[in-house]
Formats: sequence, structure tokens, C-alpha cells
Amino acid sequence: GENVEQHPSTLSVQEGDSAVIKCTYSDSASNYFPWYKQELGKRPQLIIDIRSNVGEKKDQRIAVTLNKTAKHFSLHITETQPEDSAVYFCAALSSGSARQLTFGSGTQLTVLP
Amino acid sequence: SAVISQKPSRDICQRGTSLTIQCQVDSQVTMMFWYRQQPGQSLTLIATANQGSEATYESGFVIDKFPISRPNLTFSTLTVSNMSPEDSSIYLCSVGSSTDTQYFGPGTRLTVL
Repeated sequence: GENVEQHPSTLSVQEGDSAVIKCTYSDSASNYFPWYKQELGKRPQLIIDIRSNVGEKKDQRIAVTLNKTAKHFSLHITETQPEDSAVYFCAALSSGSARQLTFGSGTQLTVLP
Repeated sequence: SAVISQKPSRDICQRGTSLTIQCQVDSQVTMMFWYRQQPGQSLTLIATANQGSEATYESGFVIDKFPISRPNLTFSTLTVSNMSPEDSSIYLCSVGSSTDTQYFGPGTRLTVL
């Protein structure tokens, strides 16, 4: 089955700086890669996603890049703000009829004011 | 996106008892999933809830321990049976769209004493 690795496990940045979180996946047939943000005590919220037919997608301060050849994708947050502090999870959608998401281990992002 | 609710939001239970968690969606959805999130950990898929047929369980999860019902396209239940302290977790349902995007319910925080 699919295996997703996520790095780093913790990340601290100064307010206004950029943050980058990286994930690798094992199933070359995976074709959908969402990112979720989970604040303490809250449900995971989808913040951006990308499909395998594009290499980059941007939404205001958030962007995701995908390298299908290397089987890795990254989340980029620019001009970080204290409210960006949360745990971020990457995920990959397995191929086949099951259509299941496999999640990375998560990154605790702390934005220091 | 669909509005997803779960009941109860939290519970404290004695070991050996069972708890049934409900997941209600405000519109018909094809795919419904149940996840477990242990403290400080990522999300692990328990099973896919199939409407009108038996759920599809992931490795390490069995029907006797986690029976699931899905009587229609807007509702599902997960029962955690014969609970032990190791079952203390957050249990989340999610719904999948035709575009593979998954949205999560608010979760049920379970503590087993």
C-alpha cells in the first residue's frame, strides 16, 4: 500500500518568514495530494490540494508543489502569521477503487511573534 | 462542502463497555470513512463505510471490535466494543466527494478508564 513520509516533525519560524513542509510518497500511481491544517482540539481542515496533472498550485500565501518523478510534494507558506501555528498533515490518495487517503505523520508549525 | 456532525463530541467510559458514535451529513455522499487519531499522532483509517453492505476494514482493525453501520447515504455509526484504555483516542468520520476531496467531522474524544 501507499506510504507517506513527512518532514520535519516540528518547525519554528519567525512571523513574516516562510515555512516549507515536505512529503514523499511510495505509490507512483497516486494522483491526488491534499494538505490539512489541524488546530488544537479542532478537526483537520483542507487548506490546499493538488492533482498529478499539475506541478504547482497557489492560493494566496499558500502553495503546493509536486514532483511526480521524485514522488515528493511540498507545502509552502509565505509571510507566516501566528494564526498559521497548527499541525499540518500531507496525504496521498491511493490508486485503485479504494480511493483511500494515507496521511503523513504531521508537522507542528509554530510561528513566533 | 457538506456539513458533518458527530455525536457524542466526547465521552468517558469504563473498560469493557461499548460506545456508539454517530456521524450525520446534511447531504447525500458516496464515500464515508472512519479514522482514529491517537494523542499527538496522525490519522489512521479504520474502515470505509459502505452503504447497504459490510464495511471495508484496514489492516489491524476488525469488525468485532469496530462494527460499522451505514443505513443510508447521510448517516453512519462506529461502535468501539469491549473498550480498554488503549482505545482512548479521537474518532473522526469523513466524507468523500466525487473529486476525491475528504472533509472531516468534528471528532469524538473518547477516554477509557
